[in-house]
Amino acid sequence: GAVVSQHPSRVICKSGTSVKIECRSLDFQATTMFWYRQFPKQSLMLMATSNEGSKATYEQGVEKDKFLINHASLTLSTLTVTSAHPEDSSFYICSASPVAGSTDTQYFGPGTRLTVL
Amino acid sequence: GENVEQHPSTLSVQEGDSAVIKCTYSDSASNYFPWYKQELGKRPQLIIDIRSNVGEKKDQRIAVTLNKTAKHFSLHITETQPEDSAVYFCAASNGNTGNQFYFGTGTSLTVIP
Repeated sequence: GAVVSQHPSRVICKSGTSVKIECRSLDFQATTMFWYRQFPKQSLMLMATSNEGSKATYEQGVEKDKFLINHASLTLSTLTVTSAHPEDSSFYICSASPVAGSTDTQYFGPGTRLTVL
Repeated sequence: GENVEQHPSTLSVQEGDSAVIKCTYSDSASNYFPWYKQELGKRPQLIIDIRSNVGEKKDQRIAVTLNKTAKHFSLHITETQPEDSAVYFCAASNGNTGNQFYFGTGTSLTVIP
């Protein structure tokens, strides 16, 4: 149980294009989903907190117009990197916190490696 | 806001020895402390967690201790095996800020066969 999927796992795009990453909780409903960015050999940096049916809360320094987050249902959140640039290349990971059971726990997706050329 | 520090950044142990990773946190309101294991290119996996009403928790070869007064918690892995090699992250959460996790900087553990 508590499986989170992400799609795509890898994406390569040209500079200036937009990329959408999907995060799904497969066997549970998620009140809250989180989006992280991770650079090589570094920790997870929280970008934003996404609650179903409401606007995402962005961390300081994260451009909300650049990283659009939509949490349309209790099982799906999407992150769209708009007008991507090479500096946006990174490993993006989502996590989901279940509605039922322990609300403390976060379950992570497998991550999406974005490369912007 | 919360600040979580983690030490050491790298750790090498011989197979069969124990490994200890330590974290400190700054926000006394933090009440949930999970530990994640992340293999290269993979997702972080929850390996053990502890809540502030408990001082110690054990699951087979893995244990976590929490000292609320000193605001530090530690991960203990006994009888290490090569498959324990990974990056380990500690985190702290107070459940009040949308259940945000504040992660430590990670410890790269290498178990030498």
